[in-house]
Amino acid sequence: QQQVKQSPQSLIVQKGGISIINCAYENTAFDYFPWYQQFPGKGPALLIAIRPDVSEKKEGRFTISFNKSAKQFSLHIMDSQPGDSATYFCAAIKTGANNLFFGTGTRLTVIP
Amino acid sequence: EPEVTQTPSHQVTQMGQEVILRCVPISNHLYFYWYRQILGQKVEFLVSFYNNEISEKSEIFDDQFSVERPDGSNFTLKIRSTKLEDSAMYFCASSSGTGRDGYTFGSGTRLTVV
Repeated sequence: QQQVKQSPQSLIVQKGGISIINCAYENTAFDYFPWYQQFPGKGPALLIAIRPDVSEKKEGRFTISFNKSAKQFSLHIMDSQPGDSATYFCAAIKTGANNLFFGTGTRLTVIP
Repeated sequence: EPEVTQTPSHQVTQMGQEVILRCVPISNHLYFYWYRQILGQKVEFLVSFYNNEISEKSEIFDDQFSVERPDGSNFTLKIRSTKLEDSAMYFCASSSGTGRDGYTFGSGTRLTVV
């Protein structure tokens, strides 16, 4: 059973554009939803995270939108830059648990 | 900024051989984890370790896998008899609390079984 579904698999965006990556989850016990950014040859790095008691969280050019009733959340990257080109993973975890459930990843390419 | 350090960065081994992947977690972290990522696929949880014992493990973490914290700084993953399908990137991670407190991942060890 795939606990977290992520789309699209790959995304190409022009510099300055908006990148949008979507995730959906099944387990309503999940209560923490981080996004990770991974560059080639590196481990995933925490980018931004949200709890389900808020509908949106913004940090700089990165925004998470959260829809609890639909069990969906998305990452928006405003003014996308070539340096944002990486693989992005959404994830989910529940309180007290140790294991993150990752989405399948989105390879973002920002064209200059 | 504190880092999780993994060695080696790449290991090639013959099928059936034992391998040990090494990690040095962040010094004041208490929870330690191993994840793996088969090429082009999602990152999958293997095991978590706290207070010198396994706290949680996935179905992937079968009897051929074991973890150990042999001293105060290292955290190791041993695969007893490697199979071709064990070829993957293995990530170590650590955290100060449970998963909500944010993991820090290492750069990974790419294991290639031939």
